[in-house]
Amino acid sequence: DTAVSQTPKYLVTQMGNDKSIKCEQNLGHDTMYWYKQDSKKFLKIMFSYNNKELIINETVPNRFSPKSPDKAHLNLHINSLELGDSAVYFCASSQDLDISFPYTEAFFGQGTRLTVV
Amino acid sequence: QKEVEQDPGPLSVPEGAIVSLNCTYSNSAFQYFMWYRQYSRKGPELLMYTYSSGNKEDGRFTAQVDKSSKYISLFIRDSQPSDSATYLCAMSEGGGSYIPTFGRGTSLIVHP
Repeated sequence: DTAVSQTPKYLVTQMGNDKSIKCEQNLGHDTMYWYKQDSKKFLKIMFSYNNKELIINETVPNRFSPKSPDKAHLNLHINSLELGDSAVYFCASSQDLDISFPYTEAFFGQGTRLTVV
Repeated sequence: QKEVEQDPGPLSVPEGAIVSLNCTYSNSAFQYFMWYRQYSRKGPELLMYTYSSGNKEDGRFTAQVDKSSKYISLFIRDSQPSDSATYLCAMSEGGGSYIPTFGRGTSLIVHP
């Protein structure tokens, strides 16, 4: 039973297109994230959502927009795709923090390999 | 200088060798230190985490943190071909700033 699942696994599309990547988690976590892993393997946070509110946005282009219909889902919509958007996009989730549990483990999906041609 | 530095490798070792993977960092506010393992075409999965300085052991894996030197290590004893993966260090400040910052990962190849 997959904890964090994202679809599609592979996505090849042309420049200028609009595409979405879906993510669902069945862990009951309150926080979900989108990460981008480039060709050099750098894993960088793009967004995180907590209780359906955006709580961090790491200066990504506004062509990227996260959408969370409920706390189990965080989709990523990308407008006007560019060649530089080619990367692997990972969805992740974690439980909320509180004073007694200040550390949180992020559980990652398998990734969506996006190729813009 | 990036906040977290990690040699990308690849690091190639024979089966049974002791492997040492390392990261350095610049943010002295980091308190939580994690190692994630990522197999090819898979998402990262947490391997170990430690808080502040010290050692933590889990089976063949030992994580060390030296906050005074801003240096963390992961040791793998009796390495196996199944350990072949990319190992990413990650660290966070904790408290209200818990989003981890990742290193770029070190590719490890353990050959039979």
